[in-house]
Amino acid sequence: GDSVTQTEGLVTLTKGLPVMLNCTYQTTYSPFLFWYVQHLNEAPKLLLKSSTDNKRTEHQGFYATLHKSSSSFHLQKSSVQLSDSALYFCALSLYGSSGNKLIFGIGTLLSVKP
Amino acid sequence: GPKVLQIPSHQIIDMGQMVTLNCDPVSNHLYFYWYKQILGQQMEFLVNFYNGKVMEKSKLFKDQFSVERPDGSYFTLKIQPTALEDSAVYFCASSPGLGGRREQYFGPGTRLTVL
Repeated sequence: GDSVTQTEGLVTLTKGLPVMLNCTYQTTYSPFLFWYVQHLNEAPKLLLKSSTDNKRTEHQGFYATLHKSSSSFHLQKSSVQLSDSALYFCALSLYGSSGNKLIFGIGTLLSVKP
Repeated sequence: GPKVLQIPSHQIIDMGQMVTLNCDPVSNHLYFYWYKQILGQQMEFLVNFYNGKVMEKSKLFKDQFSVERPDGSYFTLKIQPTALEDSAVYFCASSPGLGGRREQYFGPGTRLTVL
Protein backbone atom coordinates (compact mmCIF):
# COMPACT_ATOMS: atom_id res chain seq x y z
CA GLY A 1 0.00 0.00 0.00
CA ASP A 2 0.90 3.67 -0.09
CA SER A 3 3.24 4.78 2.68
CA VAL A 4 5.80 7.34 3.84
CA THR A 5 8.88 6.51 5.85
CA GLN A 6 10.87 8.92 7.98
CA THR A 7 13.82 7.04 9.48
CA GLU A 8 14.91 9.49 12.16
CA GLY A 9 12.70 10.03 15.15
CA LEU A 10 14.95 12.62 16.76
CA VAL A 11 17.77 14.70 15.29
CA THR A 12 19.83 16.87 17.63
CA LEU A 13 22.22 19.43 16.14
CA THR A 14 24.24 22.47 17.12
CA LYS A 15 23.21 25.80 15.65
CA GLY A 16 24.89 26.60 12.33
CA LEU A 17 25.34 22.99 11.19
CA PRO A 18 23.65 21.51 8.11
CA VAL A 19 20.76 19.06 8.42
CA MET A 20 19.10 16.47 6.23
CA LEU A 21 15.84 14.81 7.26
CA ASN A 22 15.05 11.67 5.31
CA CYS A 23 11.79 10.91 3.59
CA THR A 24 11.03 8.01 1.27
CA TYR A 25 7.67 6.90 -0.05
CA GLN A 26 5.89 4.02 -1.72
CA THR A 27 3.03 4.40 -4.15
CA THR A 28 1.83 3.24 -7.54
CA TYR A 29 0.14 6.60 -8.18
CA SER A 30 1.87 9.75 -9.39
CA PRO A 31 3.16 11.37 -6.19
CA PHE A 32 2.84 14.88 -4.79
CA LEU A 33 5.13 15.35 -1.76
CA PHE A 34 4.95 17.83 1.10
CA TRP A 35 6.98 18.82 4.14
CA TYR A 36 5.06 20.25 7.07
CA VAL A 37 6.61 21.81 10.19
CA GLN A 38 4.88 21.88 13.55
CA HIS A 39 6.14 24.02 16.40
CA LEU A 40 5.05 23.23 19.94
CA ASN A 41 1.32 23.77 20.48
CA GLU A 42 0.84 25.15 16.96
CA ALA A 43 -0.79 23.88 13.78
CA PRO A 44 1.29 21.98 11.22
CA LYS A 45 2.36 24.49 8.55
CA LEU A 46 3.26 23.79 4.95
CA LEU A 47 6.98 24.20 4.36
CA LEU A 48 7.60 22.75 0.89
CA LYS A 49 5.77 20.91 -1.85
CA SER A 50 6.69 19.25 -5.12
CA SER A 51 5.42 16.96 -7.84
CA THR A 52 8.18 17.67 -10.34
CA ASP A 53 10.93 15.10 -10.70
CA ASN A 54 14.50 16.29 -10.08
CA LYS A 55 13.55 19.92 -9.46
CA ARG A 56 14.72 21.61 -6.24
CA THR A 57 12.10 23.53 -4.29
CA GLU A 58 13.05 26.03 -1.57
CA HIS A 59 11.37 28.00 1.20
CA GLN A 60 12.68 29.80 4.29
CA GLY A 61 16.17 28.37 3.81
CA PHE A 62 14.93 24.78 3.56
CA TYR A 63 15.09 22.87 0.30
CA ALA A 64 14.17 19.48 -1.10
CA THR A 65 14.25 17.66 -4.43
CA LEU A 66 11.77 14.99 -5.45
CA HIS A 67 13.61 12.02 -6.92
CA LYS A 68 11.14 9.56 -8.38
CA SER A 69 13.91 7.11 -9.26
CA SER A 70 14.68 6.61 -5.57
CA SER A 71 11.22 7.57 -4.22
CA SER A 72 12.77 10.21 -1.99
CA PHE A 73 12.07 13.78 -0.89
CA HIS A 74 14.70 14.60 1.74
CA LEU A 75 14.55 17.95 3.53
CA GLN A 76 17.78 19.92 3.87
CA LYS A 77 19.05 23.17 5.30
CA SER A 78 22.62 24.42 5.14
CA SER A 79 22.68 26.11 8.55
CA VAL A 80 20.08 25.37 11.22
CA GLN A 81 18.89 28.01 13.68
CA LEU A 82 17.43 27.67 17.18
CA SER A 83 14.01 28.60 15.79
CA ASP A 84 14.11 25.54 13.51
CA SER A 85 13.50 23.28 16.52
CA ALA A 86 10.19 21.63 15.68
CA LEU A 87 8.50 18.46 14.46
CA TYR A 88 8.83 17.87 10.71
CA PHE A 89 6.38 15.69 8.80
CA CYS A 90 6.76 14.35 5.29
CA ALA A 91 3.45 13.66 3.55
CA LEU A 92 2.29 12.10 0.29
CA SER A 93 -0.72 13.05 -1.79
CA LEU A 94 -1.79 10.89 -4.69
CA TYR A 95 -2.88 12.08 -8.12
CA GLY A 96 -5.71 9.95 -9.33
CA SER A 97 -7.03 9.12 -5.88
CA SER A 98 -10.35 10.57 -4.85
CA GLY A 99 -10.44 13.46 -2.46
CA ASN A 100 -6.75 14.14 -2.02
CA LYS A 101 -5.99 12.52 1.34
CA LEU A 102 -2.51 12.96 2.79
CA ILE A 103 -0.44 10.01 3.98
CA PHE A 104 1.98 11.07 6.69
CA GLY A 105 5.29 9.82 7.96
CA ILE A 106 5.71 9.49 11.71
CA GLY A 107 7.63 12.75 11.94
CA THR A 108 11.16 13.78 12.87
CA LEU A 109 11.77 15.97 15.88
CA LEU A 110 14.60 18.42 15.18
CA SER A 111 16.26 19.85 18.27
CA VAL A 112 18.79 22.64 17.71
CA LYS A 113 21.19 23.44 20.55
CA PRO A 114 23.12 26.72 21.05
CA GLY B 1 -1.04 32.99 5.88
CA PRO B 2 -4.41 31.23 5.73
CA LYS B 3 -5.60 29.98 9.12
CA VAL B 4 -7.82 27.12 10.16
CA LEU B 5 -9.36 27.41 13.61
CA GLN B 6 -10.50 24.55 15.83
CA ILE B 7 -12.82 24.72 18.81
CA PRO B 8 -12.32 23.57 21.53
CA SER B 9 -8.59 23.03 21.97
CA HIS B 10 -9.20 20.41 24.64
CA GLN B 11 -12.24 18.28 25.47
CA ILE B 12 -12.64 15.72 28.23
CA ILE B 13 -15.72 13.52 28.21
CA ASP B 14 -16.98 10.27 29.65
CA MET B 15 -17.13 7.18 27.48
CA GLY B 16 -20.49 6.81 25.76
CA GLN B 17 -21.17 10.55 25.56
CA MET B 18 -21.46 12.46 22.33
CA VAL B 19 -18.84 15.00 21.30
CA THR B 20 -18.71 17.52 18.47
CA LEU B 21 -15.41 18.93 17.27
CA ASN B 22 -15.65 22.21 15.38
CA CYS B 23 -13.48 23.51 12.57
CA ASP B 24 -13.52 26.90 10.90
CA PRO B 25 -11.73 26.32 7.57
CA VAL B 26 -10.08 28.90 5.31
CA SER B 27 -12.90 30.93 3.79
CA ASN B 28 -12.49 30.19 0.06
CA HIS B 29 -11.43 26.59 0.42
CA LEU B 30 -13.53 23.81 -1.07
CA TYR B 31 -12.18 20.59 0.44
CA PHE B 32 -12.22 19.71 4.12
CA TYR B 33 -10.53 16.94 6.06
CA TRP B 34 -10.22 15.34 9.46
CA TYR B 35 -7.12 13.52 10.65
CA LYS B 36 -6.50 11.61 13.88
CA GLN B 37 -3.21 11.42 15.76
CA ILE B 38 -2.73 9.10 18.70
CA LEU B 39 0.18 10.07 20.96
CA GLY B 40 3.49 8.87 19.52
CA GLN B 41 1.97 7.77 16.22
CA GLN B 42 1.62 9.36 12.83
CA MET B 43 -1.29 11.49 11.77
CA GLU B 44 -3.87 9.35 9.94
CA PHE B 45 -6.57 10.34 7.49
CA LEU B 46 -10.15 9.96 8.65
CA VAL B 47 -12.38 11.58 6.05
CA ASN B 48 -12.64 14.23 3.40
CA PHE B 49 -15.64 16.31 2.40
CA TYR B 50 -16.54 18.29 -0.70
CA ASN B 51 -19.71 19.95 -1.90
CA GLY B 52 -21.70 18.69 1.04
CA LYS B 53 -20.63 15.07 0.69
CA VAL B 54 -18.08 12.64 2.05
CA MET B 55 -15.69 11.80 -0.77
CA GLU B 56 -13.51 9.24 0.94
CA LYS B 57 -13.24 7.76 4.42
CA SER B 58 -10.72 5.46 6.02
CA LYS B 59 -11.31 2.37 8.11
CA LEU B 60 -10.72 4.58 11.17
CA PHE B 61 -13.92 6.46 10.36
CA LYS B 62 -16.26 4.23 12.32
CA ASP B 63 -20.04 4.17 12.09
CA GLN B 64 -20.14 6.30 15.24
CA PHE B 65 -18.44 9.16 13.34
CA SER B 66 -20.20 11.70 11.16
CA VAL B 67 -19.24 14.96 9.46
CA GLU B 68 -21.19 17.89 8.14
CA ARG B 69 -20.89 21.55 7.21
CA PRO B 70 -24.38 23.03 7.33
CA ASP B 71 -24.78 26.24 5.31
CA GLY B 72 -21.08 27.10 5.15
CA SER B 73 -20.67 27.26 8.90
CA TYR B 74 -18.31 25.10 10.94
CA PHE B 75 -17.11 21.82 9.51
CA THR B 76 -17.87 19.39 12.32
CA LEU B 77 -16.83 15.92 13.39
CA LYS B 78 -19.34 14.23 15.65
CA ILE B 79 -18.64 11.06 17.58
CA GLN B 80 -21.65 9.32 19.11
CA PRO B 81 -21.12 7.37 21.28
CA THR B 82 -17.47 7.87 22.17
CA ALA B 83 -15.13 5.02 23.10
CA LEU B 84 -11.84 4.96 25.00
CA GLU B 85 -9.89 4.42 21.77
CA ASP B 86 -11.21 7.71 20.42
CA SER B 87 -8.80 9.56 22.71
CA ALA B 88 -6.44 11.40 20.35
CA VAL B 89 -5.68 14.77 18.80
CA TYR B 90 -8.00 15.52 15.90
CA PHE B 91 -6.72 17.87 13.21
CA CYS B 92 -8.94 19.63 10.74
CA ALA B 93 -7.58 20.77 7.38
CA SER B 94 -8.84 22.53 4.28
CA SER B 95 -7.52 22.94 0.77
CA PRO B 96 -8.42 25.26 -2.12
CA GLY B 97 -8.66 22.53 -4.74
CA LEU B 98 -6.98 19.57 -6.32
CA GLY B 99 -4.20 19.30 -8.89
CA GLY B 100 -1.54 21.91 -8.25
CA ARG B 101 -3.63 23.57 -5.52
CA ARG B 102 -3.94 20.56 -3.30
CA GLU B 103 -1.89 21.77 -0.33
CA GLN B 104 -3.78 21.39 2.92
CA TYR B 105 -3.86 23.98 5.70
CA PHE B 106 -4.17 22.58 9.19
CA GLY B 107 -5.72 23.77 12.41
CA PRO B 108 -3.91 23.42 15.76
CA GLY B 109 -5.91 20.35 16.71
CA THR B 110 -8.44 19.38 19.38
CA ARG B 111 -7.13 17.08 22.09
CA LEU B 112 -9.96 14.69 22.99
CA THR B 113 -9.73 12.63 26.15
CA VAL B 114 -12.35 9.94 26.71
CA LEU B 115 -12.51 8.65 30.28
